[in-house]
Amino acid sequence: DVKVTQSSRYLVKRTGEKVFLECVQDMDHENMFWYRQDPGLGLRLIYFSYDVKMKEKGDIPEGYSVSREKKERFSLILESASTNQTSMYLCASSFPLGLAGGPGVDTQYFGPGTRLTVL
Amino acid sequence: QKEVEQDPGPLSVPEGAIVSLNCTYSNSAFQYFMWYRQYSRKGPELLMYTYSSGNKEDGRFTAQVDKSSKYISLFIRDSQPSDSATYLCAMRGDTGRRALTFGSGTRLQVQP
Repeated sequence: DVKVTQSSRYLVKRTGEKVFLECVQDMDHENMFWYRQDPGLGLRLIYFSYDVKMKEKGDIPEGYSVSREKKERFSLILESASTNQTSMYLCASSFPLGLAGGPGVDTQYFGPGTRLTVL
Repeated sequence: QKEVEQDPGPLSVPEGAIVSLNCTYSNSAFQYFMWYRQYSRKGPELLMYTYSSGNKEDGRFTAQVDKSSKYISLFIRDSQPSDSATYLCAMRGDTGRRALTFGSGTRLQVQP
């Protein structure tokens, strides 16, 4: 059974703190993603990675950075947390599109999310 | 203007009703169209996907894509209380950006 886990379900931090959100997948997926989900705005892509040590900016990368040192682990870093970063953070992983033997579409498998509150 | 527009709802229907969920989009390069279902306090999970235009059926669920109108739909027949969730459409092209573009989600409540 596919599994994407996130380090915390709920997190409360103070403004200015450095925050680490960890995501681990056990499916040997090449692609990993970080989204934030806000009411009325849906899922917005922060960063994604298609290989170890590779990363690409998504739609809202400002104030965030990422790290992918191992294939199974993708970390999201808030260098200096601010109140407008209070949100639900979702991690996902997938095989590359069209991978032989893989699914017909690069199905993204999501973790349960981390609800981050910045005070 | 958002690249993908989705009515946020909430949509409340009685058990057994036919539900229609819709998204419109502006990027003509989109070729893969997906519907994700998200239960409360869970991550989204893929429900169905279609490639290019056409229909796809899976049990009580039917996905339709009309690329000429840039409009996609998800129909749920004989809706059940267990279908109560937020439904998100998502799409991407064949090449270029590997990530999905999501709609904002429609919250559905099926009343027993």
